[in-house]
Amino acid sequence: AQSVTQPDIHITVSEGASLELRCNYSYGATPYLFWYVQSPGQGLQLLLKYFSGDTLVQGIKGFEAEFKRSQSSFNLRKPSVHWSDAAEYFCVRDQTGANNLFFGTGTRLTVIP
Amino acid sequence: EAGVAQSPRYKIIEKRQSVAFWCNPISGHATLYWYQQILGQGPKLLIQFQNNGVVDDSQLPKDRFSAERLKGVDSTLKIQPAKLEDSAVYLCASSSVLAARQFFGPGTRLTVL
Repeated sequence: AQSVTQPDIHITVSEGASLELRCNYSYGATPYLFWYVQSPGQGLQLLLKYFSGDTLVQGIKGFEAEFKRSQSSFNLRKPSVHWSDAAEYFCVRDQTGANNLFFGTGTRLTVIP
Repeated sequence: EAGVAQSPRYKIIEKRQSVAFWCNPISGHATLYWYQQILGQGPKLLIQFQNNGVVDDSQLPKDRFSAERLKGVDSTLKIQPAKLEDSAVYLCASSSVLAARQFFGPGTRLTVL
């Protein structure tokens, strides 16, 4: 079955450092991929999405992600992390292209001063 | 624009009791989703409605879970009887054809004792 894998359960970075969260997707036709963030007490918020076209996708809050078909990856990056970025991050795949979402297990980001 | 509304935000019950959650999607959104998010995992789709019809309920434990969206607007998810393993956050989301993405509510945190 088509799915996504987030190999890192928990990542800790210093404020101001760069960030990369990994996501790998399994084989399938053109994947529709998303990154969502879930902060404590808040709902899931869409950071960015990739459907087709330019493989470098810009999102909100200074995040970007790059789709690499050769590596089956869709890693999320941010050049300088802020304390407010501490949250749970989910890589998500649309299974059918019709808004049928499959969530990865998530990566919890801790930001230290 | 008002977001997806859910109530209650928190619920504590004992096992074998019943419980119901309510969701009001964004106005005009024809598609409504219920997800279950167990602690430490990503959300898992339970059921998807298109207007008042069920599109996908393959992951819904139908022996104890039920959901309805009678008028194609708000929806209710019920658990009867609840088990300890039903402790989770229940998320509601909605989408429209134009939006091409899902909007999530704040969730209901259920604790079964």
